[in-house]
Amino acid sequence: GQQVMQIPQYQHVQEGEDFTTYCNSSTTLSNIQWYKQRPGGHPVFLIQLVKSGEVKKQKRLTFQFGEAKKNSSLHITATQTTDVGTYFCAGLGSGYALNFGKGTSLLVTP
Amino acid sequence: KAGVTQTPRYLIKTRGQQVTLSCSPISGHRSVSWYQQTPGQGLQFLFEYFSETQRNKGNFPGRFSGRQFSNSRSEMNVSTLELGDSALYLCASSLARRAEAFFGQGTRLTVV
Repeated sequence: GQQVMQIPQYQHVQEGEDFTTYCNSSTTLSNIQWYKQRPGGHPVFLIQLVKSGEVKKQKRLTFQFGEAKKNSSLHITATQTTDVGTYFCAGLGSGYALNFGKGTSLLVTP
Repeated sequence: KAGVTQTPRYLIKTRGQQVTLSCSPISGHRSVSWYQQTPGQGLQFLFEYFSETQRNKGNFPGRFSGRQFSNSRSEMNVSTLELGDSALYLCASSLARRAEAFFGQGTRLTVV
């Protein structure tokens, strides 16, 4: 079945440094979604990418969808302490079930 | 607009018991999905309901079941609880299938 791998598992940065998390699927995806979960909270939707090679930006966050629609990345520029949390990618294949990666936990120290 | 509501928020059960968790989706959302979240396995898909029918099921034993009512509210049931069922159970609703998912706060189940 479809597997979604996400790396790194953890990342600890100093405030102001950049951060990137990568997501790879074993199969071609129809779309990919990104979620953020704060400690003690629930996943919150960030963005959905649908097109091959798509790049979307939300302020300091940049999301990319690979040309083959099998990988994606999230890049945060100049991290802030408010960026702390776990970032999940979730892929949709031919079906309708979101397949989540295990997430990247980001810790930002001031 | 109210968000996704899950009840109860916390549960402690004994091995062998059964439990029912409830989820009220955002008004107008017809798709409801359930996930199990554990530190080791992350978010694992349990099942998806749309228009009162289970459309997809994850790789979980038959002890895990669910249903959706005509008002889109959903329940999931776990029978013969095991220690390994201790987890955060998250419900998510969507306006349409494949659309962004809105998660509830979850039900923290502890099996002792």
